[in-house]
Amino acid sequence: DIQMTQSPSSLSASVGDRVTITCRASQSISSYLNWYQQKPGKAPKLLIYAASSLQSGVPSRFSGSGSGTDFTLTISGLQPEDFATYYCQQSYSTPYSFGQGTKLEIK
Amino acid sequence: QVQLVQSGAEVKKPGASVKVSCKASGYTFTTYTMHWVRQAPGQRLEWMGWINADNGNTKYSQKFQGRVTITRDTSASKAYMELSSLRSEDTAIYYCARDSGTTYNWFDPWGQGTLVTVSS
Repeated sequence: DIQMTQSPSSLSASVGDRVTITCRASQSISSYLNWYQQKPGKAPKLLIYAASSLQSGVPSRFSGSGSGTDFTLTISGLQPEDFATYYCQQSYSTPYSFGQGTKLEIK
Repeated sequence: QVQLVQSGAEVKKPGASVKVSCKASGYTFTTYTMHWVRQAPGQRLEWMGWINADNGNTKYSQKFQGRVTITRDTSASKAYMELSSLRSEDTAIYYCARDSGTTYNWFDPWGQGTLVTVSS
């Protein structure tokens, strides 16, 4: 099974900051990497698919990059509504697996 | 718009079974595979399995093999996830999520989640 590891597990930042979250797969997953945002009491929401493609309706301040085993999610110019938990997910092979999450908090 | 609406919260005793439903609307149900994912308190999201809504084929995570059954009712545009032999560790929010229908298999959208509490 493919293990997904995110770093950091938590992050404090201010409105307007640029933040980067990293996700590492235990083996190469090509570009089969997706990013989700989850707010308390809500279902996850797709942000980025296939490592770098922005889901329709998602603000352009979100971007993704990487391939193989190392991936990043970058938020440029944090907005108050961006404070949430972010998860990466590999869809290369089943069992599809998620990272442990990165909780983005207001500094 | 595409929407997945799940059944309500459940409280079950250890050893019992639970069946959660997921009603799809806004698209042709049989065109997309449906996944089930759970999230235990303070834990990461955990994929449980999928069902091909067209032919009913399923694939389950080895972790749940033998305890989980995913089915669908095409006439009702519903998918179901049944988990048996419940234990306290199965207390979690259970989500259905539609597959992208592409080789990249992203999940979008998700249902609102169903809280299943296992307690004696």
